[in-house]
Amino acid sequence: NAGVTQTPKFRVLKTGQSMTLLCAQDMNHEYMYWYRQDPGMGLRLIHYSVGEGTTAKGEVPDGYNVSRLKKQNFLLGLESAAPSQTSVYFCASSTKSTGVLTYEQYFGPGTRLTVT
Amino acid sequence: AQSVAQPEDQVNVAEGNPLTVKCTYSVSGNPYLFWYVQYPNRGLQFLLKYITGDNLVKGSYGFEAEFNKSQTSFHLKKPSALVSDSALYFCAVRDGYSGAGSYQLTFGKGTKLSVIP
Repeated sequence: NAGVTQTPKFRVLKTGQSMTLLCAQDMNHEYMYWYRQDPGMGLRLIHYSVGEGTTAKGEVPDGYNVSRLKKQNFLLGLESAAPSQTSVYFCASSTKSTGVLTYEQYFGPGTRLTVT
Repeated sequence: AQSVAQPEDQVNVAEGNPLTVKCTYSVSGNPYLFWYVQYPNRGLQFLLKYITGDNLVKGSYGFEAEFNKSQTSFHLKKPSALVSDSALYFCAVRDGYSGAGSYQLTFGKGTKLSVIP
């Protein structure tokens, strides 16, 4: 049971380049999330998904796109990278929450992205 | 809108002393509250949560947190700090209202805990 895994661990991009970050989970979780972590800013939600084939915008979605074609995978895409997207990106997943049955999120190890 | 405040960027405590990491929140409905810990170059790990019931919640590694509705606080505590507790701690809140967007957790900016030997 690997939990939540992220690929790649590190990446350096030039401004304008594109890339895709892959998140995979083996816990059969319904919900998946992408966050970015910046110093002094905590974690901010980029996009999330409540099931296969569905995605929704979070707090800071601009410049990113996502897809959830399979339940276990959640992809984050940067079509034209900008220096402001230099950050550490975390993927997370959780069991479906219903009212007081609210479950914690499990996080991947992160991807450190630098855009020059 | 929901929000979380962690008023201290850093907390220093001597090994063996009790520790407290503060968190206050703001939500429209009932709060669902979480604490996570992050060790260097790692992802976040879940410590504990308050959803309903007893105001004192016990979690992993000897940590506990007390929910105080009147003060809108959810402070993290541990009776005796260990050097290995040194890490970055995040408080998070979700609004219990089950409308659109209710899946979103809002995180605080984090508090760096340093336990001094």
